[in-house]
Amino acid sequence: EPEVTQTPSHQVTQMGQEVILRCVPISNHLYFYWYRQILGQKVEFLVSFYNNEISEKSEIFDDQFSVERPDGSNFTLKIRSTKLEDSAMYFCASSETWSQVLENTIYFGEGSWLTVV
Amino acid sequence: SQQGEEDPQALSIQEGENATMNCSYKTSINNLQWYRQNSGRGLVHLILIRSNEREKHSGRLRVTLDTSKKSSSLLITASRAADTASYFCARDMDTGRRALTFGSGTRLQVQP
Repeated sequence: EPEVTQTPSHQVTQMGQEVILRCVPISNHLYFYWYRQILGQKVEFLVSFYNNEISEKSEIFDDQFSVERPDGSNFTLKIRSTKLEDSAMYFCASSETWSQVLENTIYFGEGSWLTVV
Repeated sequence: SQQGEEDPQALSIQEGENATMNCSYKTSINNLQWYRQNSGRGLVHLILIRSNEREKHSGRLRVTLDTSKKSSSLLITASRAADTASYFCARDMDTGRRALTFGSGTRLQVQP
């Protein structure tokens, strides 16, 4: 079964450093997402991406964050100047479509644990 | 909160018993999706139920949706130790937003 793959599975970084988390969405999917889950807390939406641009973002997704689809398969989340509170599991997700009338099953990857020290 | 909550927060049962988890929400939805998460792992999609559906089955899973009460339930029948995980409902809000809104989840422990 097709799946969303993420790398790295775990990254430890110094505060202030830049981090890039990578994702390969399911190949025929058109919508891509990043979510995060701080340890012990809810899964939170960060950003959605469609047609090579951000379609929606949450208040968490500030200027520190950026997303990019550098080629036909990868989808990346960049965190500039990481802070301690950025420590979390970051999930990439994708869906074939998004519609108010169709099923929009969203498939998640295994996540990338980011630890900022 | 617009997000609603799952209950119970934690549930411990014996293998073979049924487990029921509930999810409530406050605004209209397009659909509602249930996910499972093993400790420290990714979110595995279990089942999606549309706002115009009342019940859906997938193997040992049964999901119901009551839009008048703004609630959903996930029933796992004949539970197994391998069902031990956290279960989340995620709402696709009828607001034009593409983002899923997750609850806090139910931690299910199935004792062998």
